[in-house]
Amino acid sequence: GENVEQHPSTLSVQEGDSAVIKCTYSDSASNYFPWYKQELGKRPQLIIDIRSNVGEKKDQRIAVTLNKTAKHFSLHITETQPEDSAVYFCAASGFGNEKLTFGTGTRLTIIP
Amino acid sequence: DAGVIQSPRHEVTEMGQEVTLRCKPISGHNSLFWYRQTMMRGLELLIYFNNNVPIDDSGMPEDRFSAKMPNASFSTLKIQPSEPRDSAVYFCASSLQTDSYEQYFGPGTRLTVT
Repeated sequence: GENVEQHPSTLSVQEGDSAVIKCTYSDSASNYFPWYKQELGKRPQLIIDIRSNVGEKKDQRIAVTLNKTAKHFSLHITETQPEDSAVYFCAASGFGNEKLTFGTGTRLTIIP
Repeated sequence: DAGVIQSPRHEVTEMGQEVTLRCKPISGHNSLFWYRQTMMRGLELLIYFNNNVPIDDSGMPEDRFSAKMPNASFSTLKIQPSEPRDSAVYFCASSLQTDSYEQYFGPGTRLTVT
């Protein structure tokens, strides 16, 4: 089955700086890669996703890049703000398969 | 739309007791997922249904766990008998299988087994 590794497990960033979280996956057939944000005590919520036919996708301050050859994808948050503090999860799934395999999460702390 | 609804939000029970968690997916969604979240193991998929049919239950830890989806608007996850190691937050999520696989999570049920 699919295996998703995520790094780092914790990340502290000064407010206004950028944050980068990286994930690798094992199944070369995977083609859908979402990122979920989970605030303390809340539910995970989708913030951005990318499919294998696209190398990069941006939505305001967040962007995701995908390298299918290397089987890794990354989340980039620019101009970080205190409300960006949360746990971020990457995930992967294969074509036509809704089953998501999640990474272990990254706790991002924005330092004011 | 009210989103995914889960009940109860908190459950405290003694070891050996039966526990039933409930989920109402978003109306019109045709896929439903049960996840377990712990500090040690992260977010694990237990089972998922498509059109009320179980598709993949490989994540169900053992025979003490069972899940049903009798209709499109209701699902249950049952643990019998419960054990302290079952303590976790259990999330239900639903999605509409079109060209988007976005899963919408419920608020979760925090289960504590003493």
